[in-house]
Amino acid sequence: SQQGEEDPQALSIQEGENATMNCSYKTSINNLQWYRQNSGRGLVHLILIRSNEREKHSGRLRVTLDTSKKSSSLLITASRAADTASYFCATENYGGSQGNLIFGKGTKLSVKP
Amino acid sequence: KAGVTQTPRYLIKTRGQQVTLSCSPISGHRSVSWYQQTPGQGLQFLFEYFSETQRNKGNFPGRFSGRQFSNSRSEMNVSTLELGDSALYLCASSPTSGVVDRQFFGPGTRLTVL
Repeated sequence: SQQGEEDPQALSIQEGENATMNCSYKTSINNLQWYRQNSGRGLVHLILIRSNEREKHSGRLRVTLDTSKKSSSLLITASRAADTASYFCATENYGGSQGNLIFGKGTKLSVKP
Repeated sequence: KAGVTQTPRYLIKTRGQQVTLSCSPISGHRSVSWYQQTPGQGLQFLFEYFSETQRNKGNFPGRFSGRQFSNSRSEMNVSTLELGDSALYLCASSPTSGVVDRQFFGPGTRLTVL
């Protein structure tokens, strides 16, 4: 079953605009991670935010985490055509089995030049 | 360090055949996880190996199996292939078991079952 659910499923913006993707999850977590996947290729880790953190930055990326609402958001500022990809949030169940990430269905981002 | 490598990158098989996919983790990483990605089901966890032991298994039939060698390289095997097994198979490595840290993914093996 899916733990994280991203919203929206697809997003189309112009270069230079900001892109915001949201992720909701169901159970308590230790951390939440965001990954990027270019078409049909492997996943690239973007950022990991721990359950005791509320916000984290990495370059043009800003991730927030609201454990009370069981939600996270990924903001990409000043988007570029190279940001075109699918973005996934992933969690591990707190107290559950170790060793696996549970992914949402992803947000497909298209950045037009 | 070299990244996670997966071989082969593309594979075409027919129903009923079996297939073996290989994954070489980043040097020093002892955990290897396998995921299946399909358009319909998304990314689903298959299993994780750490120090040659299966630590965790997803909800897949017994046709899907794996193993890990002493050098941490891992293989997964799918027997009696079905059309629905067509997918991108991704492996990920990590220094430790569990997912408290980031996972490093390989480029994937694209399996097509005809």
